[in-house]
Amino acid sequence: KAGVTQTPRYLIKTRGQQVTLSCSPISGHRSVSWYQQTPGQGLQFLFEYFSETQRNKGNFPGRFSGRQFSNSRSEMNVSTLELGDSALYLCASSLMTTNEKLFFGSGTQLSVL
Amino acid sequence: GQNIDQPTEMTATEGAIVQINCTYQTSGFNGLFWYQQHAGEAPTFLSYNVLDGLEEKGRFSSFLSRSKGYSYLLLKELQMKDSASYLCAVLPPDADKLIFGTGTRLQVFP
Repeated sequence: KAGVTQTPRYLIKTRGQQVTLSCSPISGHRSVSWYQQTPGQGLQFLFEYFSETQRNKGNFPGRFSGRQFSNSRSEMNVSTLELGDSALYLCASSLMTTNEKLFFGSGTQLSVL
Repeated sequence: GQNIDQPTEMTATEGAIVQINCTYQTSGFNGLFWYQQHAGEAPTFLSYNVLDGLEEKGRFSSFLSRSKGYSYLLLKELQMKDSASYLCAVLPPDADKLIFGTGTRLQVFP
């Protein structure tokens, strides 16, 4: 059974640009959640999608958005990038909710210059 | 408010035992998770506690005291491959998202 796949693995952007990250969950998993990980803040919850609908949202500005497709694959978009957006973005999938065992992808390391 | 505290870094020797503590202050409680994350890799699930007491799983054990808002992860017979970050995460009752601590980076030396 394939794990959670995130692409790309590394990304370098400049301030003001926008970026789209992709996540393919484990087959059969319907919940996909996104986290931002930085050395000082740890894992911060961005949002969760279930059946193509955003079910929960963290405390991030509207520049951070996402969506989920009918095959449960999810994308995350960050517009008007800022230096502080440099982080590891992790995607996690689970069968139904985020309050069960999560399976994480290896993440996308985003650097904003 | 919701707050989770873990030590930032710990060191230990191969073959020893180490205890990683996690304290939390949340507006309720619905379960606590421990994840392991090796550098540059995905976090992987270690344990889940919802009731008080000790859960043992091989060399790893996790303890929970809900009245004290306290948990620990106990690693026995340490191996070099146990060098990693250990993340404590709490599920508040009124939230559908995990609240993660900043993680404890454990270094195991020969």
